[in-house]
Amino acid sequence: KQEVTQIPAALSVPEGENLVLNCSFTDSAIYNLQWFRQDPGKGLTSLLLIQSSQREQTSGRLNASLDKSSGRSTLYIAASQPGDSATYLCAPGAGSYQLTFGKGTKLSVIP
Amino acid sequence: DTEVTQTPKHLVMGMTNKKSLKCEQHMGHRAMYWYKQKAKKPPELMFVYSYEKLSINESVPSRFSPECPNSSLLNLHLHALQPEDSALYLCASSQASGVSYNEQFFGPGTRLTVL
Repeated sequence: KQEVTQIPAALSVPEGENLVLNCSFTDSAIYNLQWFRQDPGKGLTSLLLIQSSQREQTSGRLNASLDKSSGRSTLYIAASQPGDSATYLCAPGAGSYQLTFGKGTKLSVIP
Repeated sequence: DTEVTQTPKHLVMGMTNKKSLKCEQHMGHRAMYWYKQKAKKPPELMFVYSYEKLSINESVPSRFSPECPNSSLLNLHLHALQPEDSALYLCASSQASGVSYNEQFFGPGTRLTVL
């Protein structure tokens, strides 16, 4: 059974700082990996999808990397802003429509 | 249109009520999902429909009854719920095949409170 760990569980940084969120997973037989953002009481917003054959994916100030063989992914956020404050979830995807979610990293960016 | 919509946004119901949650997408996706999310926990998969047929049922109690009337709509019928069923219910959709298979797009959720 896939297990996903996200470290740290919570992170508080001053505005403008670059930061890295970590995700590790136990079963490397994944099809892809998604990073999501969730604001309190809201749905999930898809940030980036990395296919298993890819090493990196970029969108604006976000860069996600995937090392499938070691079971690790990182989400890099450049020049953080208060609007980036949210919970970030990592979810490796296997076949049959299954995503396994980590418990998330709660990010607070202090103005 | 890259949006998944859910209605209602909030729902309060008694344990004897019958209610339904609705989800709609117009992205041409042929896979649709229901998730349950308790406070400070990650989403838990409940059901998956693929090409309007139930593909996955994660051993969900029968008081939750999903329905997929067409490729754009997904319903979740609720009956005789328990207070512990109070949660945020999320709908998602994705392609059912192809390179972007399993990239899931989520709706805003329905906040359900069972009294």
